[in-house]
Amino acid sequence: GESVGLHLPTLSVQEGDNSIINCAYSNSASDYFIWYKQESGKGPQFIIDIRSNMDKRQGQRVTVLLNKTVKHLSLQIAATQPGDSAVYFCAETYTGGFKTIFGAGTRLFVKA
Amino acid sequence: NAGVTQTPKFRILKIGQSMTLQCTQDMNHNYMYWYRQDPGMGLKLIYYSVGAGITDKGEVPNGYNVSRSTTEDFPLRLELAAPSQTSVYFCASEGGTSGGANTQYFGPGTRLTVL
Repeated sequence: GESVGLHLPTLSVQEGDNSIINCAYSNSASDYFIWYKQESGKGPQFIIDIRSNMDKRQGQRVTVLLNKTVKHLSLQIAATQPGDSAVYFCAETYTGGFKTIFGAGTRLFVKA
Repeated sequence: NAGVTQTPKFRILKIGQSMTLQCTQDMNHNYMYWYRQDPGMGLKLIYYSVGAGITDKGEVPNGYNVSRSTTEDFPLRLELAAPSQTSVYFCASEGGTSGGANTQYFGPGTRLTVL
């Protein structure tokens, strides 16, 4: 990974509201984009991925949007819950490749 | 499947001591990685391996060594511990997803403090 050593930006949302976490990526050749969730004291876990030829993919309460024109990726979480509080990393990778590039991460706080 | 397991969970070292962080995966993945994560920061790649017998340096390899004698195991060695190596260390292996991407499966981490 080629993550940047910056302190994590923070997003604070009210429980029940929708959350939008944004990410800018660098490699136009990437085939896939992935979102990971890292809860406190745990390793990152896969949430959802999207192939580069798609612009939207939905999962359970999560939607990932891909805008290749401006190299922007976003993760939308519907009806945010306290259990969604975590650090979220975007990542880019490519078919047959093995070195994933992780973004810097965003910390999501959910207020009760 | 246990997934990716790491030992120990916590460790305190004195400056100059050495230790090995263990990592094992039971998913038969070829690709494995070691990352470090400093407090409030993102992931930095230390070393990676594309298969047994093959390893290569990542972004921050200085002060570390790895080996990959089997598909399952990918230990990380610290030879002369320094305070700058205080961090949380994550091991990961890489496999496929339903969407087709190669995703990384992370272990629970080893929290290392060097005093």
